[in-house]
Amino acid sequence: GAVVSQHPSWVICKSGTSVKIECRSLDFQATTMFWYRQFPKQSLMLMATSNEGSKATYEQGVEKDKFLINHASLTLSTLTVTSAHPEDSSFYICSARLAGGRYEQFFGPGTRLTVL
Amino acid sequence: AQSVSQHNHHVILSEAASLELGCNYSYGGTVNLFWYVQYPGQHLQLLLKYFSGDPLVKGIKGFEAEFIKSKFSFNLRKPSVQWSDTAEYFCAVNARDDKIIFGKGTRLHILP
Repeated sequence: GAVVSQHPSWVICKSGTSVKIECRSLDFQATTMFWYRQFPKQSLMLMATSNEGSKATYEQGVEKDKFLINHASLTLSTLTVTSAHPEDSSFYICSARLAGGRYEQFFGPGTRLTVL
Repeated sequence: AQSVSQHNHHVILSEAASLELGCNYSYGGTVNLFWYVQYPGQHLQLLLKYFSGDPLVKGIKGFEAEFIKSKFSFNLRKPSVQWSDTAEYFCAVNARDDKIIFGKGTRLHILP
């Protein structure tokens, strides 16, 4: 149980285009989902906290207009990278916390974004 | 602000050697502590967690960690490593809110 999926697993896009990444909790309901960014050989950096039915909370330094987050249901959160640039190339990972769960997060497999 | 530091960035051991990966956190209040593992090409998996109670926590695959509150530490240990333990290990802490803050990770390489 507690499986989180992401789609796509990898994407290549041209500079200036927008890319949407989906995060789904497959067998549980997640009131809270998290989006992380991982640079090569570095740790996961929390970008934002996504709560179902409300606006996401962004970490300091993360542009909310560039990284649009939508959490419309208890099993789906999406991250849209708008007007992507090469510096946005990274590994994006989502995680989900069980509704009523005690802080433990379950992680998706990640999405590798390459912006040309 | 909460932070997590992992002392070793890259560790190389031979099979059957004992392992200890250091982790220290900075936060004065009640914390929840985690160790996650990321095997090559795979996603993060929870190794073990500490919320309360016995400070010696046992996880999957023979790993354990000890929470020492006075030292703000949560070191990961395994008495005898295997080649299949080659992976990246992340210590993480959660304090006042839902956020989990990760350390920079330790890349463990086990020689067969």
